[in-house]
Amino acid sequence: DSGVTQTPKHLITATGQRVTLRCSPRSGDLSVYWYQQSLDQGLQFLIQYYNGEERAKGNILERFSAQQFPDLHSELNLSSLELGDSALYFCASTPSAGLAGGSPYEQYFGPGTRLTVT
Amino acid sequence: GQQLNQSPQSMFIQEGEDVSMNCTSSSIFNTWLWYKQDPGEGPVLLIALYKAGELTSNGRLTAQFGITRKDSFLNISASIPSDVGIYFCAGQPIFSGTYKYIFGTGTRLKVLA
Repeated sequence: DSGVTQTPKHLITATGQRVTLRCSPRSGDLSVYWYQQSLDQGLQFLIQYYNGEERAKGNILERFSAQQFPDLHSELNLSSLELGDSALYFCASTPSAGLAGGSPYEQYFGPGTRLTVT
Repeated sequence: GQQLNQSPQSMFIQEGEDVSMNCTSSSIFNTWLWYKQDPGEGPVLLIALYKAGELTSNGRLTAQFGITRKDSFLNISASIPSDVGIYFCAGQPIFSGTYKYIFGTGTRLKVLA
């Protein structure tokens, strides 16, 4: 158990709908990363937040957005869903530099949310 | 999106055999991470590498940060059935300015008892 939690575990929805995926980082971690993994594909970086602020963006579609709240949990919002959005969505958190508990280079992943768009 | 070249893509081995896999890139990396992912689960961090030439072990797993800083290697000795899964490398490009990682395409390992 990495200490990163994600809900829900599975999500089935129809095209055109909007969903919200939730992630709680490990205790004390300030950074949250979101990744998309399509079938038999590697992990594609979507977006990073650090202590509530957006830090880096990857290949995130305009239909997708994210935010990190004061309690450090993060939500990934996916709207106008298409069949091709079906994938596993992971979040990861990293320890903060200078604090006890590990290196900020080491990302710890949650169990993922499997999104199926029908 | 950008990905690392990871090889082999898949491999079938007999229990007890040693396994080698690698990742290569045209870019220089600051950090390499190696993960194992079981089906439907999140990747689990196995080894982190921070310096060119660094050799780090975690039980039967040994990984190395290539001297050119453009590649990394993972070896598994005396494989067992629970080693089955997908192994990913992840590299942090130099001068990326963040802790953003690029992931390899994965090596799918199957162990025959």
